[in-house]
Amino acid sequence: GAVVSQHPSWVICKSGTSVKIECRSLDFQATTMFWYRQFPKQSLMLMATSNEGSKATYEQGVEKDKFLINHASLTLSTLTVTSAHPEDSSFYICSARRILELNTEAFFGQGTRLTVV
Amino acid sequence: QKEVEQDPGPLSVPEGAIVSLNCTYSNSAFQYFMWYRQYSRKGPELLMYTYSSGNKEDGRFTAQVDKSSKYISLFIRDSQPSDSATYLCAMSVAQGAQKLVFGQGTRLTINP
Repeated sequence: GAVVSQHPSWVICKSGTSVKIECRSLDFQATTMFWYRQFPKQSLMLMATSNEGSKATYEQGVEKDKFLINHASLTLSTLTVTSAHPEDSSFYICSARRILELNTEAFFGQGTRLTVV
Repeated sequence: QKEVEQDPGPLSVPEGAIVSLNCTYSNSAFQYFMWYRQYSRKGPELLMYTYSSGNKEDGRFTAQVDKSSKYISLFIRDSQPSDSATYLCAMSVAQGAQKLVFGQGTRLTINP
């Protein structure tokens, strides 16, 4: 299957600082990548859809000025959590879609655990 | 009402048992159905995907879709302790759609 790499795997930051998370598709090109957030024992909630060369599309209730998304190339998308606060502590996961004939598959990165202290 | 409903469990079964995991959905526009396995502190791993009603088998795993009842299932045969994980169902609308909607996930433990 396709490989999606996410970095870092975990990060601890002080309240008020910004954190950048990278998502790379290693062996395929992804015009679209997705950013999810997952709280403990809960499902994945889509935050935004990242489109290469254009602005990201945010889900309702997600602050675009707080969660900055940049899709710099066909293999890289970044999520920056600005002015992080303890309530932003969560597991952030990216995925990339590869279109295969009539089917669509989404491959996920290993996730980034963010702890804001 | 959530678009996708999945019993969060936890579900605990003995090794070798057949496991049945289920999701129901309310949006009849969903056409593609996926099952993911997620180990603790890891990203989800795609197990099965299908886009038609009926059964699809892959090794010990069988995915079943019943669009008329808006009900999907994942069966695991000869369950192993290594199958212990959270299983998430996910769905999307027709080809080209980008948004996946996930169930809450069922936490499964296989006891040796």
